[in-house]
Amino acid sequence: DIQMTQSPSSLSASVGDRVTITCRASQSISTYLSWYQQRPGKAPKLLIYAASSLQSGVPSGFSGSGSGTDFTLTISSLQPEDSATYYCQQSYSSPPTFGQGTTVEIK
Amino acid sequence: EVQLVESGGGLVQPGGSLRLSCAASGFTLNTYWMNWVRQAPGKGLEWVANIKQDGSERYFVDSVKGRFTISRDNAKNALDLQMNSLRAEDTAVYYCARGLYSSSRAPFDYWGQGTLVTVSS
Repeated sequence: DIQMTQSPSSLSASVGDRVTITCRASQSISTYLSWYQQRPGKAPKLLIYAASSLQSGVPSGFSGSGSGTDFTLTISSLQPEDSATYYCQQSYSSPPTFGQGTTVEIK
Repeated sequence: EVQLVESGGGLVQPGGSLRLSCAASGFTLNTYWMNWVRQAPGKGLEWVANIKQDGSERYFVDSVKGRFTISRDNAKNALDLQMNSLRAEDTAVYYCARGLYSSSRAPFDYWGQGTLVTVSS
């Protein structure tokens, strides 16, 4: 199985800050990489797919980049509603696997 | 509006069985791969199983192979997960999720609200 490793595991940032989360795959996954946001008690929400494609309805402040094994999710200007846990997920090979999550807290 | 609504969760003893259902609406079910994803309390996400549009292909995570089966009834807009020989480590919120496009590699664009399965004596 392909292992996905996110860093950091958690972070605290102020409103308006630029936030970057990284995700590394244990082998090349081309651009079969998605990012999800999960608020407490809620289902995950797809933000980014194919490494850099913004899902419909997702604010443009979210962006993704990368290919191969290294990927990033960037929030250009952190908002209070962005407080959540973020997961990366590969769909290059079965089973699809998720990173362990990155919890973003607002200072 | 696309909606996925899970049901069937509850408390079950180790070794027992449970059948989860997911009712789909707002889209044509037979166009999409469908998935089950679970989340143990306080833990991350784990993909469990998926099924092709016509049911001809089904895949499972190793930890549930031989114990769980996935099925769909496109005419009834329904997806099921039959869980047998349940273990404590199967305790989780179970989500059904739709593939964004018609491929097994699709990310999951719509999720249900989840149903909690607790395996405990």
